[in-house]
Amino acid sequence: SQTIHQWPATLVQPVGSPLSLECTVEGTSNPNLYWYRQAAGRGLQLLFYSVGIGQISSEVPQNLSASRPQDRQFILSSKKLLLSDSGFYLCAHGGGNTDTQYFGPGTRLTVL
Amino acid sequence: GNSVTQMEGPVTLSEEAFLTINCTYTATGYPSLFWYVQYPGEGLQLLLKATKADDKGSNKGFEATYRKETTSFHLEKGSVQVSDSAVYFCALIDGAGSYQLTFGKGTKLSVIP
Repeated sequence: SQTIHQWPATLVQPVGSPLSLECTVEGTSNPNLYWYRQAAGRGLQLLFYSVGIGQISSEVPQNLSASRPQDRQFILSSKKLLLSDSGFYLCAHGGGNTDTQYFGPGTRLTVL
Repeated sequence: GNSVTQMEGPVTLSEEAFLTINCTYTATGYPSLFWYVQYPGEGLQLLLKATKADDKGSNKGFEATYRKETTSFHLEKGSVQVSDSAVYFCALIDGAGSYQLTFGKGTKLSVIP
């Protein structure tokens, strides 16, 4: 069965500090991978998706970036965090021909 | 563009009450429809889905029917339990080749004993 991991589970960072969140998927190959953010008052927002290694599409312009160094690894990064980056970050995976996305446990990020 | 509208909460019900959470959608193509559930502090779990008109998705006593004529996908459960307390999200993905799930704003359900 497919399993999706995210870490860390929680993170508190000062404004201006860098960020690296990691997502890995087990039990599937060549998945589509997604980063979503859930912020108070703004619902669920797709940030990035990837259909393969090194292939990243951005949905929202911001100070975040994503990378996919391996088939089942998806990383969300920032060089300098803003207060507005606080939120719950969710990684999801889905197959190429299936429209269903499955979500990881999430990372709670608080920027102070 | 695509959009999902679901009833605003919070919804508070007594245990064993009947639940309905309304969801309507707008889509340019022929979407697949989903209900996700989020328990406190956790990620989203797929609850059920339907991919074509008149399909009924069901899981854990929850049901929803894809109604193309009314562009709706209402979630129902005949008898809720305290453990059903969570936030429920209606979502769609618009046809083949689309990657973006469009979510409703979520409905918080609290079930009291």
